[in-house]
Amino acid sequence: AQSVTQPDIHITVSEGASLELRCNYSYGATPYLFWYVQSPGQGLQLLLKYFSGDTLVQGIKGFEAEFKRSQSSFNLRKPSVHWSDAAEYFCAAPMNRDDKIIFGKGTRLHILP
Amino acid sequence: DAGITQSPRHKVTETGTPVTLRCHQTENHRYMYWYRQDPGHGLRLIHYSYGVKDTDKGEVSDGYSVSRSKTEDFLLTLESATSSQTSVYFCAIRATSHEQYFGPGTRLTVT
Repeated sequence: AQSVTQPDIHITVSEGASLELRCNYSYGATPYLFWYVQSPGQGLQLLLKYFSGDTLVQGIKGFEAEFKRSQSSFNLRKPSVHWSDAAEYFCAAPMNRDDKIIFGKGTRLHILP
Repeated sequence: DAGITQSPRHKVTETGTPVTLRCHQTENHRYMYWYRQDPGHGLRLIHYSYGVKDTDKGEVSDGYSVSRSKTEDFLLTLESATSSQTSVYFCAIRATSHEQYFGPGTRLTVT
C-alpha cells in the first residue's frame, strides 16, 4: 500500500541552525510530492511541490526539498531557521495520482532561542 | 490565497444534535475535500467531491454526510454529533496540478 512516512515526530533546533526534515514515500511510479506547513491555530500552507524534472525544488520562506528516487525520500531543508519557522510540517503525496492525497503524520519543529 | 472560507470557525454543540459545516470557494475548482485533524492522527479524509452532486467517501466517513449542490459550496453534516467528532475540520480544494489548498479550519466541540 502507498504510504508517506515522517520518521521524526518532534525536532528541536537552535535559531540560525540548519534544518532537515525527513520524508519517505512508497510509490511505484515517480510521485508528485508536497510539503505543507501549519502554524498553531492555522490551516495548512503549501511550502513547495515536486512533479518532475529538477530534483531540487525551491519553495516559499527559504525552504527547499530534494527528491531522491534511490532513497524514496523527499527531505525538506532550510540553511538557517528563524523563530517564526516553529510549526508543524507535513509531507504529502497523491494516491496513484488520483483524487486523494496521503499525508504523513507530521513533524513538529521547535526552535531554541 | 485560494479563496477558501469555512463557517462557522468555532462551534460548541451537544451530543445528539445535527451540525453542518460549510466550505465556500471562489475559484471554481472541481475537487473539494473535508478532513479532520486530531492529535496523533494527522489529517484524515472524511469525504470529497469531484463535481456537483458527485461525492465519495474517505477513510473516516462514518457518521458524516456531505452535499454539493453548486460548485462553490461543499457542506459537511454530522447527523447526530458525538463526542468522538470533537475535532478541527479542514476543507481543501485541489488545483489543476494536484496540490491542495486549505481553508482556515473549523474547531468543533461536542459536549
